[in-house]
Amino acid sequence: DGGITQSPKYLFRKEGQNVTLSCEQNLNHDAMYWYRQDPGQGLRLIYYSQIVNDFQKGDIAEGYSVSREKKESFPLTVTSAQKNPTAFYLCASGQRNTMGYTFGSGTRLTVV
Amino acid sequence: LAKTTQPISMDSYEGQEVNITCSHNNIATNDYITWYQQFPSQGPRFIIQGYKTKVTNEVASLFIPADRKSSTLSLPRVSLSDTAVYYCLVGNNAGNMLTFGGGTRLMVKP
Repeated sequence: DGGITQSPKYLFRKEGQNVTLSCEQNLNHDAMYWYRQDPGQGLRLIYYSQIVNDFQKGDIAEGYSVSREKKESFPLTVTSAQKNPTAFYLCASGQRNTMGYTFGSGTRLTVV
Repeated sequence: LAKTTQPISMDSYEGQEVNITCSHNNIATNDYITWYQQFPSQGPRFIIQGYKTKVTNEVASLFIPADRKSSTLSLPRVSLSDTAVYYCLVGNNAGNMLTFGGGTRLMVKP
């Protein structure tokens, strides 16, 4: 079945450490997105990519970095510069002329 | 960018029809309107998408007036399992920046 896989589902890290969240899709979608969700809040866009080797900052990019070396992969690194990294992170993908966007099941990051 | 505005929350009872309206005054000509459902600690799930007039599938209907500045998601005969947050999203699936609104928290009571 086609879809998006985010791993791991739960992640714990010590404060000051960088951590990378994985997002892989086999839908052949050109566009991929990363969102952050805090408890009881909506989704906020961190980074997005329209095509391989290209990406743009979203609303809250500070403290995060991404790469898009392959069409199917869009990893997100949460750096030590992110002041409050504990959150639920969601990855999504989309393609022109297809129905809607597909979301992964999310990674819950806890920094202690 | 087409921003969206939705009611923060709504309450309903089992078996009732629920209508959630979303405002998107700056919608672009090539934008579609898509609604998602999200349960706690899960990714949003696609419900329905439309461009104009009315779209219906097995779970919902989407009503879009001629000016496309708003849309209404209609959930027929809701059940307790429909308690979730519902998001309206406007975009063209082409990789442009997608911004979610705050969503509508629907509570279905017995």
